Amino acid sequence: QKEVEQDPGPLSVPEGAIVSLNCTYSNSAFQYFMWYRQYSRKGPELLMYTYSSGNKEDGRFTAQVDKSSKYISLFIRDSQPSDSATYLCAMRDSNYQLIWGAGTKLIIKP
Amino acid sequence: DADVTQTPRNRITKTGKRIMLECSQTKGHDRMYWYRQDPGLGLRLIYYSFDVKDINKGEISDGYSVSRQAQAKFSLSLESAIPNQTALYFCATSDRVSSGYTFGSGTRLTVV
Repeated sequence: QKEVEQDPGPLSVPEGAIVSLNCTYSNSAFQYFMWYRQYSRKGPELLMYTYSSGNKEDGRFTAQVDKSSKYISLFIRDSQPSDSATYLCAMRDSNYQLIWGAGTKLIIKP
Repeated sequence: DADVTQTPRNRITKTGKRIMLECSQTKGHDRMYWYRQDPGLGLRLIYYSFDVKDINKGEISDGYSVSRQAQAKFSLSLESAIPNQTALYFCATSDRVSSGYTFGSGTRLTVV
């Protein structure tokens, strides 16, 4: 079993919909939780990060962490075609290494 | 100029050849990483370096070697390339404080 599980998709939704992307993990020692966005033929770029449990909002994006359930989510409101990308979750372990999910491919249809 | 520059962007090479992928950064970060990305497998760490004198193996280091020539330069070598090393390779950097990594645009390597 992988330490971080993420559904690879693809997830296809119409423009304007609310998108929910999720990851589950097994290591209760993870403290920092990140979401990266990767466009085709580009490297991943950091979108948001949160420390421990709770919510963090940045514009149309909300990151949510539930440590009791070992579950993190990224919500995108009013989704746009430009949001079409692969979204990767990542978590920092006790050695300061990032453990990555496999990424979910998101397609926003105009 | 990009913060993290990888060369080449694309490379096709033959089985058994030695190949080097290069990475340079202008972020001033101490830490540098090499990852490979395969469909469905996500990012897997090959090697990482916390400073010029520090080199560490990642989860899939077999068949690869690295050199940290300077704080800003970190190269990855495939001593004898094989077809299952066909993948997208990324270099990344980070500092000691933040958790975020800065990635290059990647090198698409095909071994035939």
